[in-house]
Amino acid sequence: SQQGEEDPQALSIQEGENATMNCSYKTSINNLQWYRQNSGRGLVHLILIRSNEREKHSGRLRVTLDTSKKSSSLLITASRAADTASYFCATDAGSWGSQGNLIFGKGTKLSVKP
Amino acid sequence: EPEVTQTPSHQVTQMGQEVILRCVPISNHLYFYWYRQILGQKVEFLVSFYNNEISEKSEIFDDQFSVERPDGSNFTLKIRSTKLEDSAMYFCASSYSGRRGVYNEQFFGPGTRLTVL
Repeated sequence: SQQGEEDPQALSIQEGENATMNCSYKTSINNLQWYRQNSGRGLVHLILIRSNEREKHSGRLRVTLDTSKKSSSLLITASRAADTASYFCATDAGSWGSQGNLIFGKGTKLSVKP
Repeated sequence: EPEVTQTPSHQVTQMGQEVILRCVPISNHLYFYWYRQILGQKVEFLVSFYNNEISEKSEIFDDQFSVERPDGSNFTLKIRSTKLEDSAMYFCASSYSGRRGVYNEQFFGPGTRLTVL
């Protein structure tokens, strides 16, 4: 898989259910960021987790990072119809002193049905 | 809450024409970026900019592209002679890093949709 590859590619759930999306990457990273994109719109930053962190929470979002497996997961609890969007992980794999250029995955398209 | 802004939201141009896409990064941010997303594809890094010069650029960022910070607030991307394949959504992003080697969240603007006819 390529750097920052999400799965599943598409996920359809009912409102109130939890949604879990996974991201795998190949090289070592400084940090990993999750973004949301509504159809045809801009990227909204959700959460950043650094390479020395294992778990992070923000509201209904929970992100985990397993650097030994080079993977991350994004959990959205108690989903709402408004959570319908594409979700991307982006890795900052730059060497120390680089400018933190992000490498994006293809994204998971989440559909939450009311 | 401060945000990155971009203008125009949509630009239509003829092949071979020059376009300038404009961005206003968040005011206390130090690093600036351009990315693009061709319809249905991944977001791709183009260029990063720090201390008034290009830090890194991707293979996409060839001689047709240039960036500039003409004043203390604007950050522009110029495409000198547009091609059909330049049609994409172009995103500007900025981040603040207080410590070398530690990079913080990158905040993205809403994007400029460029259509080359």
